[in-house]
Order: sequence, then C-alpha cells, then structure tokens
Amino acid sequence: EPEVTQTPSHQVTQMGQEVILRCVPISNHLYFYWYRQILGQKVEFLVSFYNNEISEKSEIFDDQFSVERPDGSNFTLKIRSTKLEDSAMYFCASSEGGYNSPLHFGNGTRLTVT
Amino acid sequence: AQSVTQLGSHVSVSEGALVLLRCNYSSSVPPYLFWYVQYPNQGLQLLLKYTSAATLVKGINGFEAEFKKSETSFHLTKPSAHMSDAAEYFCAVSESGNTGKLIFGQGTTLQVKP
Repeated sequence: EPEVTQTPSHQVTQMGQEVILRCVPISNHLYFYWYRQILGQKVEFLVSFYNNEISEKSEIFDDQFSVERPDGSNFTLKIRSTKLEDSAMYFCASSEGGYNSPLHFGNGTRLTVT
Repeated sequence: AQSVTQLGSHVSVSEGALVLLRCNYSSSVPPYLFWYVQYPNQGLQLLLKYTSAATLVKGINGFEAEFKKSETSFHLTKPSAHMSDAAEYFCAVSESGNTGKLIFGQGTTLQVKP
C-alpha cells in the first residue's frame, strides 16, 4: 500500500538554525499538509497546500515557516530560525482531495531544538 | 469553527472487555468525522471515517463508531479489547467546503490490562 514517507526521523538542531523537514506524499494525491504534535499535546494543523500554493494556514504558521514542493514528489517544511518551542513531532500528510478524503500520515520527524 | 472534545485522556480496560472512547463534535455544518490511531513512535493511521452515508461506521481492527447527530457524538467502540489495541486514539473533524484539514481532539490513551 502506498505510504507517506518522511525524512529524517529525528532532527536535532540548535536554536536559531534553519531546518528543512522532508516528505514524499502518496504519488496521486493532490492535497498536502503539515501538522505538529508537541509532546503530550494534541495534533495541531499547520498548513495545507494545493495546486502549488498554500490553501490554508494556522496562526502557528508564521513568517518563520514556509513550505515548498520543489519537484513532483517532495514536499518540504522549512523553519528559518528555530526556537526551543518548535521542538515537536512534525507530521506530513496527503489526501486525494477535499473534505471527505482521509488524510494519510507519515511516521513523523521528531525535531529537537537545543 | 469546528472542534472535537474527547472525554477522558486515559482509558484503561481489561483484555476482552468493551472499549468505549468518547468523542463529541461541534460544527456549524454537517461534519465529516474520523478516528485515527497512533502507536508508539508511529504516525497516525486511519481507523474509520463518517461521511454521511451511514450512521454506523465499521473500521479496521474490529472498531466501529456511531454518528449521533442529536448528541453531536461519534464514539468509538470495540466489543473485545486486545493487548495490541493499546495506543493513542484521536477523533478528528473536517467541514465541507474547506481544504480538507482536520481538527483533532486531544487524544485518548487506551491501556489494555492482561
């Protein structure tokens, strides 16, 4: 069964550094998402992406965050200058499209900012 | 704005006992509802989804959920718990007309005792 893959599984970085989290969505999916889960808290929506542009973003997704689909397969999340509070599990997800299509999630990247 | 509330952050049952995980939603329009399961160090896996076709929805691993509009609920049940069901369970809602993003509840950790 096709799956969403994320790399790396664990990323450690120093405060102020830039990080790029990478995702390969399921190939025929059209909608792409990033979520994050701070340890012990709920899964929070960051951003959705469709047709090569952001379709919706949350308050969390400020100017420090950006997303890109640089080629036909990868979907990346960049954090320009990491803060301690960015430490979390980041999940990429994709769906065939629309509000009634389930999201398929990757296994996540655990980001630790020191 | 839509939201979901999961009653009980931790539920403990004995192996073979009924599993009941509660979810109530708030939505101004007919919602699409989902249950996801997260095993340790893994991503979120879809258990089942409600998209208005039938109020009783069957999912994987013997789980099912019933949509009750009058109670704004979508509780997850399983007649007989297995040790392998120990995980965190998330209820999520998606509204028609949006980008397909999901709003998650805070999650319920299911413990299964031998």
